[in-house]
Amino acid sequence: SQTIHQWPATLVQPVGSPLSLECTVEGTSNPNLYWYRQAAGRGLQLLFYSVGIGQISSEVPQNLSASRPQDRQFILSSKKLLLSDSGFYLCAWSEGWRYGYTFGSGTRLTVV
Amino acid sequence: ILNVEQSPQSLHVQEGDSTNFTCSFPSSNFYALHWYRWETAKSPEALFVMTLNGDEKKKGRISATLNTKEGYSYLYIKGSQPEDSATYLCAFNAGGTSYGKLTFGQGTILTVHP
Repeated sequence: SQTIHQWPATLVQPVGSPLSLECTVEGTSNPNLYWYRQAAGRGLQLLFYSVGIGQISSEVPQNLSASRPQDRQFILSSKKLLLSDSGFYLCAWSEGWRYGYTFGSGTRLTVV
Repeated sequence: ILNVEQSPQSLHVQEGDSTNFTCSFPSSNFYALHWYRWETAKSPEALFVMTLNGDEKKKGRISATLNTKEGYSYLYIKGSQPEDSATYLCAFNAGGTSYGKLTFGQGTILTVHP
């Protein structure tokens, strides 16, 4: 069966520090992968999606970047965090547009 | 920018009540409408993926309908139980080159009181 792992669960980082959040999927090949963020009081916002290794599409201009170095690995990064990067980050995968997403357990990021 | 609206924002009901929420989405370029349940301290869980106008889906006491021509979907819960308390999210897939990417509504927070 397919599983998705996301870590860490919580993170407190100072402004200006780097960030790396990792997401891995097991039990499937060539999944569509997504990073979403929920800022305080707001809905889930799509940050990045990827349909294959090295293929990254960004949805909104921001301080973050994403990479997909392996088929089932999706990484969210920042070189210098801002206070506005605080939020709840969710990784998800799907087989395609007819299928629901499977979400990871999320990372609560607080930038101080 | 795609606009997906959910109403009400929050809802309090008594155990045993039936309830429903609304999701409004653009009626053009429709591919799919998703419903998710997001319980506190858990990940969002897919309930339904609806792709055809007039679709009706059911899972236990929860059901959903879809009207793509007018751009809305209803989620119904029959005989609400405390374990149904969660945020219910709908999400719209505009298809095309969107590769299954979803635009989510803000959610409806349901609290079922024993």
